[in-house]
Amino acid sequence: QKEVEQDPGPLSVPEGAIVSLNCTYSNSAFQYFMWYRQYSRKGPELLMYTYSSGNKEDGRFTAQVDKSSKYISLFIRDSQPSDSATYLCAMNTGFQKLVFGTGTRLLVSP
Amino acid sequence: EAGVVQSPRYKIIEKKQPVAFWCNPISGHNTLYWYRQNLGQGPELLIRYENEEAVDDSQLPKDRFSAERLKGVDSTLKIQPAELGDSAVYLCASSLTQDSYTEAFFGQGTRLTVV
Repeated sequence: QKEVEQDPGPLSVPEGAIVSLNCTYSNSAFQYFMWYRQYSRKGPELLMYTYSSGNKEDGRFTAQVDKSSKYISLFIRDSQPSDSATYLCAMNTGFQKLVFGTGTRLLVSP
Repeated sequence: EAGVVQSPRYKIIEKKQPVAFWCNPISGHNTLYWYRQNLGQGPELLIRYENEEAVDDSQLPKDRFSAERLKGVDSTLKIQPAELGDSAVYLCASSLTQDSYTEAFFGQGTRLTVV
């Protein structure tokens, strides 16, 4: 079993929809939780990070962490075609080695 | 400010041939990472440097892979000899070392195809 599980998708939604992306993990020592966005043939870029449990909001993006359930989510409101990309969750214990999920491919149609 | 620069962007080689990738991290970043990303998968760490020292190379296949980071700046990753299963995107990332969380900035990657 992988340390981090993520549905690979693709997830197809119409423009304006609310998108929910999720990851589960098994290592209870993870403390830092990140969401990266990766466009085709580009490197990942950090969208948001959260420390421990709780919510964090940044514009149209909201990250949630539930450590008791070992479950993290990224919500995208008012999704745009430019949001079409692969979204990778990543996490670490605070000692810098990031463990990534497989990524979920999101397609937002106009 | 320039981001993480990698070269080449693409490389096609025959199996058993050697190949090398180069990475120039963001200026001032003392931590450098090499990740491998297989198709449809997330990146997996190969090696992490703190300045010139490789502090985590536990996932580096040392029989064929080698890496170096001279003077704590640029880094090269080498495969010799390459195998078909090495086809992947090789990503370099860099960060500033902080007490706990640090943001890693990724380059665009080198897409390797072994035929």
